[in-house]
Amino acid sequence: AQSVTQLDSQVPVFEEAPVELRCNYSSSVSVYLFWYVQYPNQGLQLLLKYLSGSTLVKGINGFEAEFNKSQTSFHLRKPSVHISDTAEYFCAVSGQSGGSNYKLTFGKGTLLTVNP
Amino acid sequence: DAGITQSPRHKVTETGTPVTLRCHQTENHRYMYWYRQDPGHGLRLIHYSYGVKDTDKGEVSDGYSVSRSKTEDFLLTLESATSSQTSVYFCAISESKGASGYTFGSGTRLTVV
Repeated sequence: AQSVTQLDSQVPVFEEAPVELRCNYSSSVSVYLFWYVQYPNQGLQLLLKYLSGSTLVKGINGFEAEFNKSQTSFHLRKPSVHISDTAEYFCAVSGQSGGSNYKLTFGKGTLLTVNP
Repeated sequence: DAGITQSPRHKVTETGTPVTLRCHQTENHRYMYWYRQDPGHGLRLIHYSYGVKDTDKGEVSDGYSVSRSKTEDFLLTLESATSSQTSVYFCAISESKGASGYTFGSGTRLTVV
């Protein structure tokens, strides 16, 4: 089974500042990693995913994440945030092996608030 | 949202009544999932399906049942609704195991009074 820990439940930042949302995972098998974004009163939308290869993954809206296997982390970053980035962000993990490991396990979310 | 529709979008029901939520997809994806979202808990898996008539329990399945008689429909039933089942319910679909990620519906906000 897999688990995900999002280290910050809330992250307030000022507009145009850089931001990092932290995610650590635990798994006994190799993993796929995902970041989703949820705007108020909406469903979740995929931001980016790591499947294999380059550990730096670029997603939509200028976000990127880096997979660090030794630290079991997949932190999300953006060099300059906008007011419109205010949303809740979820890190998720699934196992690569067979059985029931393929289901996505989500972290509890990080609420990013961008202030003017 | 990319061919996935949840109904109803909002529902208020009384304690002890049965409730059915519907998830309909037009993507012909094999895998379908029901999650509930609660503050401080993120998303928790209730049940999932890996094919027609093939379903299994997730981590919070007590008090819920599911059915999938057609590829496109995945129904979630609260057998006897309780106040602890007040939540936002999301359906998700995926084309394959793991790597494809999920596409989510817009959610159903259920209030049990």
